[in-house]
Amino acid sequence: QQQVKQSPQSLIVQKGGISIINCAYENTAFDYFPWYQQFPGKGPALLIAIRPDVSEKKEGRFTISFNKSAKQFSLHIMDSQPGDSATYFCAASISGTASKLTFGTGTRLQVTL
Amino acid sequence: NAGVTQTPKFQVLKTGQSMTLQCAQDMNHEYMSWYRQDPGMGLRLIHYSVGAGITDQGEVPNGYNVSRSTTEDFPLRLLSAAPSQTSVYFCASSYHSMGSGTGNTIYFGEGSWLTVV
Repeated sequence: QQQVKQSPQSLIVQKGGISIINCAYENTAFDYFPWYQQFPGKGPALLIAIRPDVSEKKEGRFTISFNKSAKQFSLHIMDSQPGDSATYFCAASISGTASKLTFGTGTRLQVTL
Repeated sequence: NAGVTQTPKFQVLKTGQSMTLQCAQDMNHEYMSWYRQDPGMGLRLIHYSVGAGITDQGEVPNGYNVSRSTTEDFPLRLLSAAPSQTSVYFCASSYHSMGSGTGNTIYFGEGSWLTVV
């Protein structure tokens, strides 16, 4: 059972464009929603995270939008750059559950010149 | 500042062989965990530990054993390797998350690529 569904599987965006990745979750007990960025040959690294008591969080060019009623959250990358080309994973967890992240299936982003 | 260190980086095993993937962290994190990453499936939790001497199963524990004798180390043992265990394995660690919705940054190692033939 896929508790966190992520789309699209792959995404090609021109430099300067907006990249949007969407995730939907099923377990209403989830209360922490991080996004991870992974470059080839490396481990995932935390990019940005949000709690369900806010609808949006922005850090630089990266923004998470959160819709609790729809059980959906999305990552927006503004002014996308070639250096943003990576695989992005959304995830969800229940606080206090020992780093037990449930991951989406990942989105491979390619930013072209 | 090493963070989370995994060894080996690459390993080829024959079906039925056993081996141990090593993981060490130098951040004094209470929580450590092992994930496997397969194409199209994201990362899935194998086992985790909330502190020395305490371990529990994740989503896909079959065929793997763990132990946590120290805060720093969390080895993953493959008892009898099978081709289905061909994957990239990631060890992760974090501090204890305090309170609802706080979550803590989880740090991942660089991965161990395992092929079982």
